[in-house]
Amino acid sequence: GAVVSQHPSWVICKSGTSVKIECRSLDFQATTMFWYRQFPKQSLMLMATSNEGSKATYEQGVEKDKFLINHASLTLSTLTVTSAHPEDSSFYICSARGPNTQYFGPGTRLTVL
Amino acid sequence: SQQGEEDPQALSIQEGENATMNCSYKTSINNLQWYRQNSGRGLVHLILIRSNEREKHSGRLRVTLDTSKKSSSLLITASRAADTASYFCATEHNDYKLSFGAGTTVTVRA
Repeated sequence: GAVVSQHPSWVICKSGTSVKIECRSLDFQATTMFWYRQFPKQSLMLMATSNEGSKATYEQGVEKDKFLINHASLTLSTLTVTSAHPEDSSFYICSARGPNTQYFGPGTRLTVL
Repeated sequence: SQQGEEDPQALSIQEGENATMNCSYKTSINNLQWYRQNSGRGLVHLILIRSNEREKHSGRLRVTLDTSKKSSSLLITASRAADTASYFCATEHNDYKLSFGAGTTVTVRA
């Protein structure tokens, strides 16, 4: 149990385009989901907390207009990277708060050309 | 935010040896967790230790927690080549957010 999926697993896009990443809790409901970003050879950095039915809360230094988060249901949160630039290339990982702790998705590798 | 610090940054050991890595944090926690990440892959949850626990075992893993020193250690016994990965500690706080340490890269030589 407590499985979280992400889609797509990898994406390559041109600079200036927008990319949407989905995070789904498959066998449990999650009122709270989290989005992390990980640059090569670095640790995970929390970007934002996604709350079902309300606005996401962003960590300091994360642009909310650039990283749009929508938590439309108890099993789905989406992260849209708007007007992506090469410096946005990274590994994006979501997690969903489950019964005991957070459960992580497998990650999405974004490459912006 | 990232509040955990881990040492060493990198560790290279021979198969069969034990590997120990440490994690320190700054503020009070609900629990501390250890994760493994193979290169370019997602996180694998290894073990969770609550703030009122001092030691926990899971297979070849042993985790200790010293809340007075705000530190934790992860011991992997009888290491195998498949243990080669990056290991991260993460502290959970009252707001359920996780703060990750910088990670320790472990290489197990055959």
